[in-house]
Amino acid sequence: GAGVSQSPSNKVTEKGKDVELRCDPISGHTALYWYRQSLGQGLEFLIYFQGNSAPDKSGLPSDRFSAERTGGSVSTLTIQRTQQEDSAVYLCASSLTTGAGYTFGSGTRLTVV
Amino acid sequence: GDSVTQMEGPVTLSEEAFLTINCTYTATGYPSLFWYVQYPGEGLQLLLKATKADDKGSNKGFEATYRKETTSFHLEKGSVQVSDSAVYFCALPPGAGSYQLTFGKGTKLSVIP
Repeated sequence: GAGVSQSPSNKVTEKGKDVELRCDPISGHTALYWYRQSLGQGLEFLIYFQGNSAPDKSGLPSDRFSAERTGGSVSTLTIQRTQQEDSAVYLCASSLTTGAGYTFGSGTRLTVV
Repeated sequence: GDSVTQMEGPVTLSEEAFLTINCTYTATGYPSLFWYVQYPGEGLQLLLKATKADDKGSNKGFEATYRKETTSFHLEKGSVQVSDSAVYFCALPPGAGSYQLTFGKGTKLSVIP
C-alpha cells in the first residue's frame, strides 16, 4: 500500500485479556519495527524484523509480549494477559532496508481498563 | 551507546513567534540526523534530515544544521503557525551493530493564536 497501515486504531480491553495489533508495511519494505509510546514518555523500541532473519526482540518488556511477521510482510504484535501499564500507543514503522528512511503508521492506541 | 538529548517541553508559543528546540546527541562517528514530527492523532513523519556535518536540513519552514563540533541538531522556525502544534522528535539512525532508531523523548509544541 501507499503507507504503513495499522489496525485497530483504538483498542480498549479489560485487564487480563489478550490483544493483537496488526501492522501492514509498505510493499517491498524488508525492515519492520514496533515501538511503544507511553504517555509522557519517549519512543520505546520493542522489536525489529529484517527480511527472513531472526527478529531482534531485545526491546520486548516481558514474555507477555510477542510478535511475528508472516511472509515477510504483515506483522502482528500480541500482548497476553494485558496490564494497565501496557496502555500506550503502539507504532509500527517500515523501511526499504535498515538505515533507510522510515515510514510510520498512525499507531494503535491501547487502553487497558 | 548512542543517545539523544532533547529539550523537554511542553513549549507554548504565540503565532509568528520564533521556535528553537534543542537537540544534542552522542554517537560514534558522524551519523545522519533526523527530526520527526507527530501531529495529534497521527504517526511520526520525517520532517527533515541532514546526512553530514554542516548540512542544513529544511522543510515546511523548519531548519536544522548538523553541528559536529557541538554534536547538536537544533530545530528552528522563524514564525510558527497554529498548524505546527505537534510533538517533535530528534533521532539518530541505527548505529553499527544496531537496528534501532534512537529517539529523544519528544518536545510538545503548542502554538496559540
